[in-house]
Amino acid sequence: DTAVSQTPKYLVTQMGNDKSIKCEQNLGHDTMYWYKQDSKKFLKIMFSYNNKELIINETVPNRFSPKSPDKAHLNLHINSLELGDSAVYFCASNQMWGDEQYFGPGTRLTVT
Amino acid sequence: SQQGEEDPQALSIQEGENATMNCSYKTSINNLQWYRQNSGRGLVHLILIRSNEREKHSGRLRVTLDTSKKSSSLLITASRAADTASYFCATDATHRGTSGSRLTFGEGTQLTVNP
Repeated sequence: DTAVSQTPKYLVTQMGNDKSIKCEQNLGHDTMYWYKQDSKKFLKIMFSYNNKELIINETVPNRFSPKSPDKAHLNLHINSLELGDSAVYFCASNQMWGDEQYFGPGTRLTVT
Repeated sequence: SQQGEEDPQALSIQEGENATMNCSYKTSINNLQWYRQNSGRGLVHLILIRSNEREKHSGRLRVTLDTSKKSSSLLITASRAADTASYFCATDATHRGTSGSRLTFGEGTQLTVNP
């Protein structure tokens, strides 16, 4: 009965590789988000999709490309991984403007 | 500095005591939300207070919002060891009619409740 799920939970990879993180929500929400939490626990929004349409795209390197095949899924693909990409990536969703967001458990990405 | 700055950065109290965390922000907002994050876990929504509200309660939680001072506080009464976590405030300044919300998070307060 998981509301927002992410896979994988942990991802260890080398610099230069390409990797993907997947997110799924079974809440019927229209909007999904990707956040990055750095080593100091600071959380910053990266992207947001509403009903498969990109609506928020913060200043994120082009190496990061989100994809939403349907409104229940939002994946994050990262090309040419760099050391600075090491962080915890959280997916979240909500139904509409002004609602609280529901977060997934996070994916801890370590780039070596 | 970030929208949503919290203080203190760390707070250590004994079980049964009250814990108060503060959050300040810079721009006008639609709502302010508080989240809890246990170590190594995702964020859990605690309470949402809208810009036209001044106080809200949920169980042992009490949140206040002062839009004139651009500040909010989270009070946890009768704390328990299980309340040990990081607490974040997040502001939503997106306009009504916008699809989705852009939350801006504070740096968090690490609360430790000692048994």
